[in-house]
Amino acid sequence: DGGITQSPKYLFRKEGQNVTLSCEQNLNHDAMYWYRQDPGQGLRLIYYSQIVNDFQKGDIAEGYSVSREKKESFPLTVTSAQKNPTAFYLCAAADRGNTEAFFGQGTRLTVV
Amino acid sequence: RKEVEQDPGPFNVPEGATVAFNCTYSNSASQSFFWYRQDCRKEPKLLMSVYSSGNEDGRFTAQLNRASQYISLLIRDSKLSDSATYLCVVNSGSNYKLTFGKGTLLTVNP
Repeated sequence: DGGITQSPKYLFRKEGQNVTLSCEQNLNHDAMYWYRQDPGQGLRLIYYSQIVNDFQKGDIAEGYSVSREKKESFPLTVTSAQKNPTAFYLCAAADRGNTEAFFGQGTRLTVV
Repeated sequence: RKEVEQDPGPFNVPEGATVAFNCTYSNSASQSFFWYRQDCRKEPKLLMSVYSSGNEDGRFTAQLNRASQYISLLIRDSKLSDSATYLCVVNSGSNYKLTFGKGTLLTVNP
């Protein structure tokens, strides 16, 4: 089944701990994205990657880190420096060029 | 000016109504545009791409005005199942940055 897989669907962590969210795609798309969505809000771009071993900061990168060692994988680490980490995190992939993005089902992170 | 600005809504309309959503973008070099639909607590899904010539898919019509840096979505004959949040999306093109508007919540009432 083709698509974007995010895991886990729900994640709970204690304040001060780093946590890594997984995103895997089998669409063979070059570009991948991480967004954050807060209740009643739109999607805000955290990081994006056009190609393997390259990524750029989005609009709210502080407190987050990513890696893109493989085309199919784009994990996001939420560090203890992120002041309000509780949110819905969405990963997406798109083919290079002006094509639409496909999303995973998201990870709901709750930090207590 | 924000990269992508969208009508804040919310919109509450009766079944059968026509409703329009608008969105403006700041980067004149933007190359592609989309409307996504997001149901509550779900991921966004593509509704339609927006082409310069305008495009229609059943009850949905999308238009792009590059001179005014503006895109729109028109929904005719609203159905209960159209209730969702509608997000406009702009691809800056050169670096594949995809920027979303804040979304507009539509509720279609019986």
